[in-house]
Amino acid sequence: GAGVSQSPRYKVAKRGQDVALRCDPISGHVSLFWYQQALGQGPEFLTYFQNEAQLDKSGLPSDRFFAERPEGSVSTLKIQRTQQEDSAVYLCASSPPGQVNQPQHFGDGTRLSIL
Amino acid sequence: GENVEQHPSTLSVQEGDSAVIKCTYSDSASNYFPWYKQELGKRPQLIIDIRSNVGEKKDQRIAVTLNKTAKHFSLHITETQPEDSAVYFCAASLMDSSYKLIFGSGTRLLVRP
Repeated sequence: GAGVSQSPRYKVAKRGQDVALRCDPISGHVSLFWYQQALGQGPEFLTYFQNEAQLDKSGLPSDRFFAERPEGSVSTLKIQRTQQEDSAVYLCASSPPGQVNQPQHFGDGTRLSIL
Repeated sequence: GENVEQHPSTLSVQEGDSAVIKCTYSDSASNYFPWYKQELGKRPQLIIDIRSNVGEKKDQRIAVTLNKTAKHFSLHITETQPEDSAVYFCAASLMDSSYKLIFGSGTRLLVRP
């Protein structure tokens, strides 16, 4: 079956522009996560959704970052007034429902470059 | 909050030898420990995971061990092959309201033919 799909794969924006990154999770996966991966580093947690509810946004670095998942499926990560330090790969992961931690399956990510 | 440390940062082995990567975590409430393999420009791929009620898990050439008392877990790859070359990340997760993964800093494994 199809895995987690992210678009665009690459995004170049000028400093100060707004960007929107999309994630299509695996069908039936209720949990969706966004991570930020800087070059040469491990992914860092940004935010978590269970269905349409955003249950944890403690990792969002500033109020310029906003995520939504209005119908409990596709999610969008929006970054307003981008800055150079926002340059990174943004990874989306989804996991199936369950009473305990379930394996998270990642997409290929969006590589964001801010000029 | 949880903190995960990973060692070594780079590891070079001869094809056929074993490779061991070690991680320590800080929060004793962590109960789920996955390992991911990431090739250059590709997505992290889950290769094996272990839960806190298990001490060891094996899948063909890959095994993971967990020592809850010492709060460390290790990835063991036997009979390494050139296609095992990649960056490997360990992670830890709490069974709280988030299930978020806290990742180590990664180990770049090079398997020399």
